[in-house]
Amino acid sequence: DGGITQSPKYLFRKEGQNVTLSCEQNLNHDAMYWYRQDPGQGLRLIYYSQIVNDFQKGDIAEGYSVSREKKESFPLTVTSAQKNPTAFYLCASRALQGSKGDNQPQHFGDGTRLSIL
Amino acid sequence: AQKVTQAQTEISVVEKEDVTLDCVYETRDTTYYLFWYKQPPSGELVFLIRRNSFDEQNEISGRYSWNFQKSTSSFNFTITASQVVDSAVYFCALSGGVISSGSARQLTFGSGTQLTVLP
Repeated sequence: DGGITQSPKYLFRKEGQNVTLSCEQNLNHDAMYWYRQDPGQGLRLIYYSQIVNDFQKGDIAEGYSVSREKKESFPLTVTSAQKNPTAFYLCASRALQGSKGDNQPQHFGDGTRLSIL
Repeated sequence: AQKVTQAQTEISVVEKEDVTLDCVYETRDTTYYLFWYKQPPSGELVFLIRRNSFDEQNEISGRYSWNFQKSTSSFNFTITASQVVDSAVYFCALSGGVISSGSARQLTFGSGTQLTVLP
């Protein structure tokens, strides 16, 4: 089935450690996104990418890094510079243009819950 | 700047009641898109509906209906005859034109409404 796969489902980070969250999609979507969700809040955009080897900062990029070496993959690294990384992380992808040129909806993965040890 | 406001933080209803979730948005774009997503306890966001700013017709899909009113900048979501399985967090989101949202059409999300349907 086509979809977005995020792994792991749960992740724990130690002080001073970098961790990488995986996001893979087989929907042939060009654009991919990473969001952070804190309890009782909406989603905030961390990074996004429209094409391989190119990505842009979102609203809260500090302490995070990404890469887009393949169309299907958009991993997110939470670096030690991110002082409050405990959150739920959601990856999304989107076709850049539909049959009518409409703004296609973003489709989301199941998320990764990151906690601090 | 764009903004989406979901003033209702939590709503509880008894099964079979109708419930309306409010969404008010702000944008300077003349062309924009509005979305509703459902987030069940498992965490993933499920796409429910997309509406563009030129189409003000209300839409009904089964027990779900949406009321889009540009005059009041609102895009409200009604669930008729609610069921326990409707319990979730519901997000309203806005994607503006290229200038405000960029060519990747980033979404601006509201803070969500936690809906609890009691048996």
